[in-house]
Amino acid sequence: QQQVKQSPQSLIVQKGGISIINCAYENTAFDYFPWYQQFPGKGPALLIAIRPDVSEKKEGRFTISFNKSAKQFSLHIMDSQPGDSATYFCAASNGGTDKLIFGTGTRLQVFP
Amino acid sequence: DAGITQSPRHKVTETGTPVTLRCHQTENHRYMYWYRQDPGHGLRLIHYSYGVKDTDKGEVSDGYSVSRSKTEDFLLTLESATSSQTSVYFCAIRKSGTSGISEQFFGPGTRLTVL
Repeated sequence: QQQVKQSPQSLIVQKGGISIINCAYENTAFDYFPWYQQFPGKGPALLIAIRPDVSEKKEGRFTISFNKSAKQFSLHIMDSQPGDSATYFCAASNGGTDKLIFGTGTRLQVFP
Repeated sequence: DAGITQSPRHKVTETGTPVTLRCHQTENHRYMYWYRQDPGHGLRLIHYSYGVKDTDKGEVSDGYSVSRSKTEDFLLTLESATSSQTSVYFCAIRKSGTSGISEQFFGPGTRLTVL
């Protein structure tokens, strides 16, 4: 049972373009939504995270948009760069449990 | 890198043999986690620990056991490895991030192949 559904599986973007990755969740008790970035051969690294009390959070070129009523959240990468080429995972957890439920990942390739 | 090391980094073993993976942290964090990563599944929680000798199951705990006899080390054991346990295993710790929210930080991973 996949509680966090992520799309697309893969994404190809031109340098300077906007990359958008979407996630949908089922459990309304989730209250923490992080995004992780993973390069080949490395562990996932926390990129940005949001709580449901805000609809958007921005850190540099990375923005999370959150729609509580639709139970969806998305990662936007502005001005995408070849160095952003990696696999991105969304996740969700229920406050206090720390049991992160991950999406299946999106492989992003940014071409010059 | 959150001061997390995993050993071994790569291991090949045969079906039916016991395997132990080690996670070591240098920052004295209370919470530690073991995940497995498989194509098409993302990362899935196997077991976690909320203190010395305090552990609990995650979503895919069957076939795995854990132990934590001291704060810095969290061991994952496959009592009798099976081919379905071929995977990349990640350890994580929880610590407070810059926003005050507790966040999980991952180690470099162990690639395990069971023949």
